[in-house]
Amino acid sequence: SQELEQSPQSLIVQEGKNLTINCTSSKTLYGLYWYKQKYGEGLIFLMMLQKGGEEKSHEKITAKLDEKKQQSSLHITASQPSHAGIYLCGARGGNTDKLIFGTGTRLQVFP
Amino acid sequence: DGGITQSPKYLFRKEGQNVTLSCEQNLNHDAMYWYRQDPGQGLRLIYYSQIVNDFQKGDIAEGYSVSREKKESFPLTVTSAQKNPTAFYLCASSIGVGEQFFGPGTRLTVL
Repeated sequence: SQELEQSPQSLIVQEGKNLTINCTSSKTLYGLYWYKQKYGEGLIFLMMLQKGGEEKSHEKITAKLDEKKQQSSLHITASQPSHAGIYLCGARGGNTDKLIFGTGTRLQVFP
Repeated sequence: DGGITQSPKYLFRKEGQNVTLSCEQNLNHDAMYWYRQDPGQGLRLIYYSQIVNDFQKGDIAEGYSVSREKKESFPLTVTSAQKNPTAFYLCASSIGVGEQFFGPGTRLTVL
């Protein structure tokens, strides 16, 4: 079965610093989704990537999917306290409605 | 405003009791999902439904039951057969294989 591994598990950065979160799959990804979660709340959809080499940006967050479609990265530029939370990647392994999720990366941003 | 609502936000259950978690969406989405989230783990799929009056087991369906009598509603019952029900439960919906939109979650605690 397909598994998603996220790294790092936890990240503490100073405000203004850049950071990268990785999501690696054991199999080819057919749709890679990035979500953000505040503690005790639901998930907020950030971006979806489908094509190898695809890159999308929203405000200061950029997500990329590698050419082989087995790894994605989420990059935050000039981090702010509002970026704090848990970032989860989710993916479809094929033509299915089901998503599998990584274990999440907990991000803390201190002033 | 369109969205997904879950109720209650907090739920306490005594051992041996069945409890039902509510999930309602007014997004006109066909597919709905239930996930369980435990500390340090990603989301695990309990049940999902792609159409009214039809649903499929996810990866951890034992001890849970669902119904899908209406398009907008997908309640989850946690039965006494679920040995470790304390967790954060998230409901989501989607249009086919598109991105999933999540509700705010219900935190269930067994006393």
